[in-house]
Amino acid sequence: AQSVTQLDSHVSVSEGTPVLLRCNYSSSYSPSLFWYVQHPNKGLQLLLKYTSAATLVKGINGFEAEFKKSETSFHLTKPSAHMSDAAEYFCVVSGAGSYQLTFGKGTKLSVIP
Amino acid sequence: DTAVSQTPKYLVTQMGNDKSIKCEQNLGHDTMYWYKQDSKKFLKIMFSYNNKELIINETVPNRFSPKSPDKAHLNLHINSLELGDSAVYFCASSQSQGASSTQYFGPGTRLLVL
Repeated sequence: AQSVTQLDSHVSVSEGTPVLLRCNYSSSYSPSLFWYVQHPNKGLQLLLKYTSAATLVKGINGFEAEFKKSETSFHLTKPSAHMSDAAEYFCVVSGAGSYQLTFGKGTKLSVIP
Repeated sequence: DTAVSQTPKYLVTQMGNDKSIKCEQNLGHDTMYWYKQDSKKFLKIMFSYNNKELIINETVPNRFSPKSPDKAHLNLHINSLELGDSAVYFCASSQSQGASSTQYFGPGTRLLVL
């Protein structure tokens, strides 16, 4: 069994300040973890993924995430927010097969000019 | 070139009607999926096909029937539409069924049942 908890349903930051979106997971397997982004009225785009290689994963658009097994966390960060980062972000855990993706409930990121 | 495409993008229909949503991927992937995203943005898998064979069917009413004519296509047919079917439906594909295999999503079909 696996589950994902995104700790904040809504995060608001000022443009140019750091972004932190928190995610905790639970999995019976060695998990693969993903972050996807969904801009308004758009599909989901992969930001980054962790697959048991380096624990610090770099993604697109300056985002990165760190896998911490001891804390069962996979938080998403970005040093400086841009207006175009405003979107819904989903943390996802994969079980034994890719069809066993479990999505978190999403975190809406707002960026204030 | 669009990797995963869906048609139509928007679908407004009356209760009781039958409708289909089409999905095509040009990535050469073996596995395709349908997801439903509800009004609270929660995503849940509905079906998964690998090499045209059904490998997962979550607790979805049998009014929903996926059809995969070939590896590049996975269509979703919905009979006797109900108000609760209103949602955004996403198609996705991945190279394999492995846990680390990335799923690539289509742009979604926004279904509104009146």
